[in-house]
Amino acid sequence: AQTVTQSQPEMSVQEAETVTLSCTYDTSESDYYLFWYKQPPSRQMILVIRQEAYKQQNATENRFSVNFQKAAKSFSLKISDSQLGDAAMYFCAYTNTNAGKSTFGDGTTLTVKP
Amino acid sequence: DAGVTQSPTHLIKTRGQQVTLRCSPKSGHDTVSWYQQALGQGPQFIFQYYEEEERQRGNFPDRFSGHQFPNYSSELNVNALLLGDSALYLCASSLAIGTGGLTQYFGPGTRLTVL
Repeated sequence: AQTVTQSQPEMSVQEAETVTLSCTYDTSESDYYLFWYKQPPSRQMILVIRQEAYKQQNATENRFSVNFQKAAKSFSLKISDSQLGDAAMYFCAYTNTNAGKSTFGDGTTLTVKP
Repeated sequence: DAGVTQSPTHLIKTRGQQVTLRCSPKSGHDTVSWYQQALGQGPQFIFQYYEEEERQRGNFPDRFSGHQFPNYSSELNVNALLLGDSALYLCASSLAIGTGGLTQYFGPGTRLTVL
């Protein structure tokens, strides 16, 4: 069974600074997708970024980028120029391409200080 | 473009009762997955529906059942409620595997409290 581990229960960052959230996963599969989701206190889970395992290039979406290390089974999220609106719980998720279901980590609560 | 919608927003039940939660997928999506999210934890996969059939199931007892309708909307039913069933129930929709799917879009959730 796949597992996803987020080792940082809480992180904080100063507004306009950069922060990196860590995620590791365990799988025997070679083809899969990885996701970062954001869940603000209003609780709607929002897709931040996705990475296909077969792609070597790291995904980027505006201020959000990932560092995908397939051999190390590591998938970190970097948030640049942090904004107050980035404050939320961030979840890392693994999805097997054959199964379609997602396995989530327990999340990292990000606080952004003005 | 309508996103994923869920109803009701909040629900309070007592132990032993039965509950039905509803979900309408994002426009154009045909696959619906249900997750249970306990306070302070990540979502746990309950099951997934495609073409009106349960395609996959997580480690949840048979008290949890579901249904998908021809319009792709879905229901989650929980029988014989336990205190431990109190959680946020999330619905996610996606396209079918092999059609460029796998990215799941979530609804706002239903907060179930069992007393």
